[in-house]
Formats: sequence, C-alpha cells, structure tokens
Amino acid sequence: GAGVSQSPSNKVTEKGKDVELRCDPISGHTALYWYRQRLGQGLEFLIYFQGNSAPDKSGLPSDRFSAERTGESVSTLTIQRTQQEDSAVYLCASSLVGGLRAGELFFGEGSRLTVL
Amino acid sequence: AQKVTQAQTEISVVEKEDVTLDCVYETRDTTYYLFWYKQPPSGELVFLIRRNSFDEQNEISGRYSWNFQKSTSSFNFTITASQVVDSAVYFCALYAGTYKYIFGTGTRLKVLA
Repeated sequence: GAGVSQSPSNKVTEKGKDVELRCDPISGHTALYWYRQRLGQGLEFLIYFQGNSAPDKSGLPSDRFSAERTGESVSTLTIQRTQQEDSAVYLCASSLVGGLRAGELFFGEGSRLTVL
Repeated sequence: AQKVTQAQTEISVVEKEDVTLDCVYETRDTTYYLFWYKQPPSGELVFLIRRNSFDEQNEISGRYSWNFQKSTSSFNFTITASQVVDSAVYFCALYAGTYKYIFGTGTRLKVLA
C-alpha cells in the first residue's frame, strides 16, 4: 500500500517475553519515528531515524528497548523482557525529511501491545 | 526546553456549535514548525496543518481555521459548525530542530448529535 504499514496490529504477550514490532514506512521517506501512546495519553517520543542512523535515541525508556532500521526502509522496535507497563500502542511515522525542513508526519495505524 | 500544552483534556459540544481547541507552546528556537493532527476513533493520526514560525497568517480550510500568535505562543484551532464526524482526539505538535516532534497531551472532542 501507499501508507505506513505496521505489524502486528495487535500483540498479546506474557510478562518477560520479547516482542518485535515492525514498521514499513512510505517508500522514499528518509525520516522515521517511533512513538508510544499509553491508553488515553499523548504521544511519547521513543526514537528517530534519519536513513539508517538513529541520531536521537533519547526517548527509549530503558535498555530493554532497541530499534534498528535497514535499507533506509523497514524498522523494527524490539522490547526485551516485557513488563506490564510496556502495554501501549506503538506508533510509527515517516516523513520525507527531518531537520529544519520538517514535514508532515505520516502515521501507521499502530501496534497495540498488551503484556499480561 | 520545548513543550506543548493542551490544557483542555476533553470538550463536548452539540452539533453545529463552534469550538476552539487551545495550544500553547514553548521553545527558544526562532525557527520552528507547529502542527495539528487528528486521531479519530480508528486510531490513525491524520495531518491537518503545518505552520512555520515566520508565517503568522491565519489559515482557513473549510470549517477549520487556525490562529497563530507568536506574542502569546499560541496556535489555536477552531472548528466552525461542528459535526459528529469531528469527534476525535486532536494533537498539537511542535518541531524545533531537534528532530523531535513534541506532541501535546491531546484534546478529546465529542460532538453530540
């Protein structure tokens, strides 16, 4: 499709398990962002990619969280040893550029993670 | 520090009423962008508008209008003659050269028929 695609759309896991969330940005979009949205809350910045590099990882809440991007395309967000407080919707967004020419963010539908 | 404040957590209006969603931002940068996004019940955020810090002209798009005032660091959003389909969570966001889009906590708008 032409939009940002995220998978899985829904993931239920047990506490302590690892999960991997995937984001396929719009083709040609060099900037990619991950946000977390807890129920009824705003968007919490996690990480930003420019190409395959992550100049800003400041939002990752702990060392259990990691992300990578390859081929200036697909990105995966990995959460190790999940905890109940990790339950949230994880949103991916992409844009043509970052930096001072900030453009419109295109969001995926999110991956809803529930940790039991 | 950069910050976006949306003081209104939830607003309920009756259809056809006008409603204004407030957004106040903080940044020390002289070049920045402001955005509004809509998050309908389906969950996917939809871009509504971008404004750069050098353009204080108000903008109107159909029933939507935006009032940008640097003097008060505000970027308010007005929906005229609201409709049930306008029910959503609306987020204001700031981008100020740090790669991060800083989002407010959102305002949930309920338009009642």
